[in-house]
Amino acid sequence: DIQMTQSPSSLSASVGDRVTITCRASQDIINSLAWYQQKPGKAPKVLLYGASRLESGVPSRFSGSGSGTDFTLTISSLQPEDFTTYYCQQYYNDLPTFGQGTKVEIK
Amino acid sequence: QVQLVESGGGVVQPGRSLRLSCAASGFTFSSYGMHWVRQAPGKGLEWVAVISNDGSKKNEADSVKGRFTISRDNSKNTLYLQMNSLRAEDTAVYYCAKDKADVAVTFFDYWGQGTLVTVSS
Repeated sequence: DIQMTQSPSSLSASVGDRVTITCRASQDIINSLAWYQQKPGKAPKVLLYGASRLESGVPSRFSGSGSGTDFTLTISSLQPEDFTTYYCQQYYNDLPTFGQGTKVEIK
Repeated sequence: QVQLVESGGGVVQPGRSLRLSCAASGFTFSSYGMHWVRQAPGKGLEWVAVISNDGSKKNEADSVKGRFTISRDNSKNTLYLQMNSLRAEDTAVYYCAKDKADVAVTFFDYWGQGTLVTVSS
């Protein structure tokens, strides 16, 4: 299985801050990576796919980059509704796997 | 609009069985792969199983292989997960999720609200 490692597992930031979350794959996954946002008690919501393609309706303050094994999710200016948990997911093979999650907390 | 509604969760004793259902609407169900993803209390997301649009291809995570079976009925727009030999570690919220693609496994563009399965004596 392809292991996905996110870092950090949590971070503290303020409204308006620029935040970056990283995701590392245990092998080359080209650009077969999606990012999700999950709010407490709710289902995850896809933000980006193909490492950098913004899903329809997702605010442009979210962006993604990377290829191969190293990827990043950047939130350019944190809004109050962005303080929640984020997951990466690889879909390079038929056994999709998620990172362990990154919780973004209010400083 | 796309809707996925899970049902069938509940409290079950270890070793027993349970069948989850996911009723789909708002899209052409028979055109897309479908998945089950679970989340143990306070933990991260774990992919469980996938089935292709026509049901011809299936795959499961090692943690449930041989115990869980995914299936679908395209005439009823419904996805299923048959869970046998349940263990305490299967306790989780189970989400059904729509794949962006038909046959290939990609990412999940729509999710249900989840159904809680608790395995406890």
